[in-house]
Amino acid sequence: DAGITQSPRHKVTETGTPVTLRCHQTENHRYMYWYRQDPGHGLRLIHYSYGVKDTDKGEVSDGYSVSRSKTEDFLLTLESATSSQTSVYFCAISEATPNTEAFFGQGTRLTVV
Amino acid sequence: QKEVEQNSGPLSVPEGAIASLNCTYSDRGSQSFFWYRQYSGKSPELIMFIYSNGDKEDGRFTAQLNKASQYVSLLIRDSQPSDSATYLCAVNSGLTGGGNKLTFGTGTQLKVEL
Repeated sequence: DAGITQSPRHKVTETGTPVTLRCHQTENHRYMYWYRQDPGHGLRLIHYSYGVKDTDKGEVSDGYSVSRSKTEDFLLTLESATSSQTSVYFCAISEATPNTEAFFGQGTRLTVV
Repeated sequence: QKEVEQNSGPLSVPEGAIASLNCTYSDRGSQSFFWYRQYSGKSPELIMFIYSNGDKEDGRFTAQLNKASQYVSLLIRDSQPSDSATYLCAVNSGLTGGGNKLTFGTGTQLKVEL
């Protein structure tokens, strides 16, 4: 299995509080991604990173920010959590080679109450 | 308009039969196409990918791609109860530098019955 660890695995937080999810990889892959998965919408890309301090937005980036200070860590922050951000969040990694596999982490189930 | 369309199912097939899962996409510039399997409460895991027109076989799985029709399918031969899962079609439009910009369908739930 690809070495991807997400933390925490489960979290319940209150509306308006900041939340940070962590993705850690041991594969030294250049690309890292954050997706959210919701019923009826499938997996949707939030943000991605193509190197240390290099990030870009995905299709559902509003309300989220990311940071990558080291190759192995990619953080997703909800600055002020809302109930619409209740979801399952997946981190993924891939090499910098076109058309290669993206490996997914175990997921983080976030509930905003 | 959804960019990647899949029938949500459930698709029920008897054990030993062929399961056929279908996916259509709208972006003609898409470069490659991935099939992921996802068990309930688990993360997606890659089954196979294809980027050239035609068929690609890997064990009991065959992916078929028709770029002119913007259609990709996955066939599972000799279906087993352990194949019961949700199958996600993902279309890659690529990122500068070689990363994957994957757009996923909502998935088809497959049930293999004894």
